[in-house]
Amino acid sequence: NAGVTQTPKFRILKIGQSMTLQCTQDMNHNYMYWYRQDPGMGLKLIYYSVGAGITDKGEVPNGYNVSRSTTEDFPLRLELAAPSQTSVYFCASSYSRKPNTEAFFGQGTRLTVV
Amino acid sequence: TQLLEQSPQFLSIQEGENLTVYCNSSSVFSSLQWYRQEPGEGPVLLVTVVTGGEVKKLKRLTFQFGDARKDSSLHITAAQPGDTGLYLCAGEWNAGGTSYGKLTFGQGTILTVHP
Repeated sequence: NAGVTQTPKFRILKIGQSMTLQCTQDMNHNYMYWYRQDPGMGLKLIYYSVGAGITDKGEVPNGYNVSRSTTEDFPLRLELAAPSQTSVYFCASSYSRKPNTEAFFGQGTRLTVV
Repeated sequence: TQLLEQSPQFLSIQEGENLTVYCNSSSVFSSLQWYRQEPGEGPVLLVTVVTGGEVKKLKRLTFQFGDARKDSSLHITAAQPGDTGLYLCAGEWNAGGTSYGKLTFGQGTILTVHP
């Protein structure tokens, strides 16, 4: 089973460049999330989606945008990359909003902005 | 913003020793999850606790949710080198509505178990 797939795994960007981090899941989950993980820190929520066409901001949304045109895909867009966006990005999905629901995470995208 | 304070940040022990990781907050969480993360991988769920005072066991791992649902602990008995990894607690918080599965993570505990 593929689960949650993220691409690319690694990327180096120059300041001011833009890129899209791809995330796709094959579990037919309605709920999808983007987190970032800085060294020595836990994960922080960037954006989330409760279904196709519906997205909302998380704790640290500035500098990012998302879209959810299909249930499977939830891309994260960086428009003007900044060094502060150097981080590891994780996409996750879950099938329910109930508290006892497991979130499945992708393997992450390690992004360096220089 | 809800905060989860996780301690200790680093733990280096010998095989066979016991250890406890703590996760504390000033907020009441509707549920709390513990994840384990290996280098280059995403977090993988170990357990979810929902009820205040709840205790769950997973082989040598014991998880407890505080009575007031503001704190949790992970206890590992007789640690093994295979337990080495990053352990994360994550709380789901409802502000009178629904959280949509959004998680607030602690800073993580890097555990190293030496043979």
